[in-house]
Amino acid sequence: AQTVTQSQPEMSVQEAETVTLSCTYDTSESDYYLFWYKQPPSRQMILVIRQEAYKQQNATENRFSVNFQKAAKSFSLKISDSQLGDAAMYFCAYRSPRGGSEKLVFGKGTKLTVNP
Amino acid sequence: EAEVAQSPRYKITEKSQAVAFWCDPISGHATLYWYRQILGQGPELLVQFQDESVVDDSQLPKDRFSAERLKGVDSTLKIQPAELGDSAMYLCASSLTRDSYEQYFGPGTRLTVT
Repeated sequence: AQTVTQSQPEMSVQEAETVTLSCTYDTSESDYYLFWYKQPPSRQMILVIRQEAYKQQNATENRFSVNFQKAAKSFSLKISDSQLGDAAMYFCAYRSPRGGSEKLVFGKGTKLTVNP
Repeated sequence: EAEVAQSPRYKITEKSQAVAFWCDPISGHATLYWYRQILGQGPELLVQFQDESVVDDSQLPKDRFSAERLKGVDSTLKIQPAELGDSAMYLCASSLTRDSYEQYFGPGTRLTVT
């Protein structure tokens, strides 16, 4: 079974600075999807960024980028120019490739605080 | 912008009582998921529907939990009887198809069992 580990329960960053959230995973599958989801307080979870394992290029979405190290099974999220609205729980998630289970396997999350 | 709707947002119930949660996915989404998120943990899948059929309910405690999606649109998750350990956030998510990588989440129902 696949597992996802987020080793940082809490992180903090100063507004306008850069922060990196860590995620490692364990799987025997060669193809899969990885995601970072954001869950603001009392609001629904939204997708921040995704990475397909077969793609070597790291995904980027505006101020959010990932560092995907397939051999190391590592998938970190970098938030640049942090904004107050980035404060939230961030979850790393894994999904099997097409034909496998569609469920998302989540880590325990990292609470990000942005200080003004 | 279309969103997944859930109700109620908050529910307090006494143990041994029955409780039900409702989810209305984004229109046209064939796949619906119910996740349970215990405080301090990530969400874990309880049940997955494709249209009105159950695809995966391997983690659903079937002695007390039931889920249905009778017309392949909205869905109800029921707990009877509720136990103290059921206190959690219950999240509903939907996706256009089983192959769609993105799941859209609702705001959740926070259940407290006293």
